[in-house]
Amino acid sequence: DAEITQSPRHKITETGRQVTLACHQTWNHNNMFWYRQDLGHGLRLIHYSYGVQDTNKGEVSDGYSVSRSNTEDLPLTLESAASSQTSVYFCASSESTTDTQYFGPGTRLTVL
Amino acid sequence: DQQVKQNSPSLSVQEGRISILNCDYTNSMFDYFLWYKKYPAEGPTFLISISSIKDKNEDGRFTVFLNKSAKHLSLHIVPSQPGDSAVYFCAASPWGQNFVFGPGTRLSVLP
Repeated sequence: DAEITQSPRHKITETGRQVTLACHQTWNHNNMFWYRQDLGHGLRLIHYSYGVQDTNKGEVSDGYSVSRSNTEDLPLTLESAASSQTSVYFCASSESTTDTQYFGPGTRLTVL
Repeated sequence: DQQVKQNSPSLSVQEGRISILNCDYTNSMFDYFLWYKKYPAEGPTFLISISSIKDKNEDGRFTVFLNKSAKHLSLHIVPSQPGDSAVYFCAASPWGQNFVFGPGTRLSVLP
């Protein structure tokens, strides 16, 4: 069965460190998204990609970057982790922009 | 300023009764709406959708109502079951663009 996976599921890091969160989908979807979930804010869009080599900034992109070298993967990198980036991160994919998004299980990141 | 609002952070309902979750939006360009359900330690899963050409969509125990003039939609769950206890997110988009999510409402269905 097709699926979307995230790794690691939990990560603790220190301020200033570079962190990369992995997202892998086997739906063969063109669109992939990264969100962060914080209490009172719901899901906020960090970055998204509509296809290989395409990346775009979302609502809360400062301090984050993504790259899309193939259809299946969209890793999210925190260049220099900050305590404000402590959150739960969700990756999602969809066939097109108007289609339902399928979400991964999430990564809980703690920045100390 | 939030474009999609869910003003009730939490809701408790007795098993077998109706659950009504509300969502308000400010952008009149939004014309496609989704509800997602999220259990702890899992990703959100799609529940039901509605486009602006309709004012109601049903799927089993779940019905979504859209009032475009009021910029308001609601999700009705009848009858509510303990397994429905989760966080529910409303999401909206202008056609062809990315979705904007609300902050979520935590539903507790009491046995």
